[in-house]
Amino acid sequence: GENVEQHPSTLSVQEGDSAVIKCTYSDSASNYFPWYKQELGKRPQLIIDIRSNVGEKKDQRIAVTLNKTAKHFSLHITETQPEDSAVYFCAASRGNTGFQKLVFGTGTRLLVSP
Amino acid sequence: KAGVTQTPRYLIKTRGQQVTLSCSPISGHRSVSWYQQTPGQGLQFLFEYFSETQRNKGNFPGRFSGRQFSNSRSEMNVSTLELGDSALYLCASSYPIDPDTNYGYTFGSGTRLTVV
Repeated sequence: GENVEQHPSTLSVQEGDSAVIKCTYSDSASNYFPWYKQELGKRPQLIIDIRSNVGEKKDQRIAVTLNKTAKHFSLHITETQPEDSAVYFCAASRGNTGFQKLVFGTGTRLLVSP
Repeated sequence: KAGVTQTPRYLIKTRGQQVTLSCSPISGHRSVSWYQQTPGQGLQFLFEYFSETQRNKGNFPGRFSGRQFSNSRSEMNVSTLELGDSALYLCASSYPIDPDTNYGYTFGSGTRLTVV
């Protein structure tokens, strides 16, 4: 069945460094790849997403890249700040069957130290 | 614009009981999905509703059920509660203008269910 693997499970960086989180998906029909940030005790929030017809997307300090051939996508956060500390989830979905199911990765706990 | 509202925020139930959770999506959103979040299993898909129809269901036992009303509000029910059902239940809504196009979810704050 569909599966999304996410690495690393934890990531510690110094403020100002870059952070990269990688995900691999199994369903070749997946065409939508969102990333969610979940702070402690709060709901997951969409931070960026990418569709399969695009290879890269940027929004200020965050960017996502997609390699459809290898079936993997990555989240890049530059100039990290302590408020970036949270759990990040990647997800994959197919959009051509008329439903919104997302398959989530297991999450990466990012800790940014001042 | 109000966000996704889930009630109640916290619930404590006893094994064997049943529970009903409620979700009101963002106004205008017609798709509502439910997820179970646990430390061990992460975010697991329960089901998705669109225009009162269940379009997809995850790999959960039949004790887990749901429905959507004509105003897009949704409820999920868990019968014969087990200790392992303790989790954060998240509802998410989205606005698929085109049913074949995915749009990002907006999650509610969740209902934390504890089964004792």
